[in-house]
Formats: sequence, C-alpha cells, structure tokens
Amino acid sequence: GQNIDQPTEMTATEGAIVQINCTYQTSGFNGLFWYQQHAGEAPTFLSYNVLDGLEEKGRFSSFLSRSKGYSYLLLKELQMKDSASYLCAIPSGDKIIFGKGTRLHILP
Amino acid sequence: GAVVSQHPSWVICKSGTSVKIECRSLDFQATTMFWYRQFPKQSLMLMATSNEGSKATYEQGVEKDKFLINHASLTLSTLTVTSAHPEDSSFYICSARGPSTEQYFGPGTRLTVT
Repeated sequence: GQNIDQPTEMTATEGAIVQINCTYQTSGFNGLFWYQQHAGEAPTFLSYNVLDGLEEKGRFSSFLSRSKGYSYLLLKELQMKDSASYLCAIPSGDKIIFGKGTRLHILP
Repeated sequence: GAVVSQHPSWVICKSGTSVKIECRSLDFQATTMFWYRQFPKQSLMLMATSNEGSKATYEQGVEKDKFLINHASLTLSTLTVTSAHPEDSSFYICSARGPSTEQYFGPGTRLTVT
C-alpha cells in the first residue's frame, strides 16, 4: 500500500523561505506530485519529480530522494497569496494518492 | 494547458432529492476520470475511478448505489448523488487523466443539502 506523511500546519513570514517536507512509502514508485490548494478551490499542479534531485521553477522548488522516500517543497520570497494547503501525492496505478496536506499560514 | 470544467460550481438541494454534477475535459480526451470528495480542512478522498464505456470502480466505503457515476464519452463524466442527506454536503472535485501521468482538476462543486 501507500502511505504519505506531511506536517499538518506551518507558519512563515512574508518574504521568508519555507520548506514543506513529505515522506512516503509505496510498493512501486512512479514519481511524486506537489499540488497547491487554496481554500474552497481545486488543487493546482506545482511539480512532478521522478528522478532524485532538486527541480527549480521560479519561487518554488521541489526535491526528491527516492532512496529515503523523501521530498520537500521549497517556497522562496513568500507572498501572502502563498497561504494555502500544499498536497504531496504519489501515483498508484491509475490513481493519485494524496497526503493530508500542509496548511501554510503566511504572516505579514 | 488541459482544462477541466465542472457544472454546477455550487448547488443547494433539499434532503431526499438527487443532484447531478458534470465533469468535462474541454481540450483533451480523458479515458479515465476521478471523483473526489473533500470535507472542510481535510484532504481529498478518492471516491471512484470512472472509465469511459465501463462501470466505475469505487473505493472502499463508498456506496455505488448512492453515488452513481456515468462516463458516457471521452470528455464527460457525471456524478449523481441520490437521495442526498445533510452529511453528503461537501466539496466534490473531479479530475481527468491526460496523456501523461498528470491529472487535471476541475474547479469543484460545493454541495449543500438542507
């Protein structure tokens, strides 16, 4: 089966950097997704990592270590609009299994 | 990019009635669509996987006779909540699988049962 673990909530300050960690267990690895979800809205795709290492996309970067079953999402130069839930997810066959999400609060 | 729409975006219905939610992939064909439910401050819970032209596969604990899913074409899947009750009030989100592994989400439908 699959298991995904990420912190429930985090708080950071506008302009700062925050790292949201995700650990996972899966029988067959086919990549890892990060999604952003604002309250009352559907998730939006942020990143998809298949290989080890850091992938940078503007202010957001995602890191993967397959041997450790570990990923993180790094958000730089935080803005108030980054207040949202961040969901770590892994494919399982046709499905995508989501973690419970990390609610990120940004303080001015 | 791939766009998925849902209709309606919100609906209020009386207890005991049925509600149909549509999910459409606008610019790509989706042989597989997924239906999720999300209660406030909780994560997405997969309800069922909908395959075009065949019966949906329901997750454990989801009543297939209560949540009817029809995937009649490569661009449309519908979810009908039958005999809705207040506890069915939730945010229902569909997604469609594109050519690669990625799933594209619809904007969601907020259902309130009074």
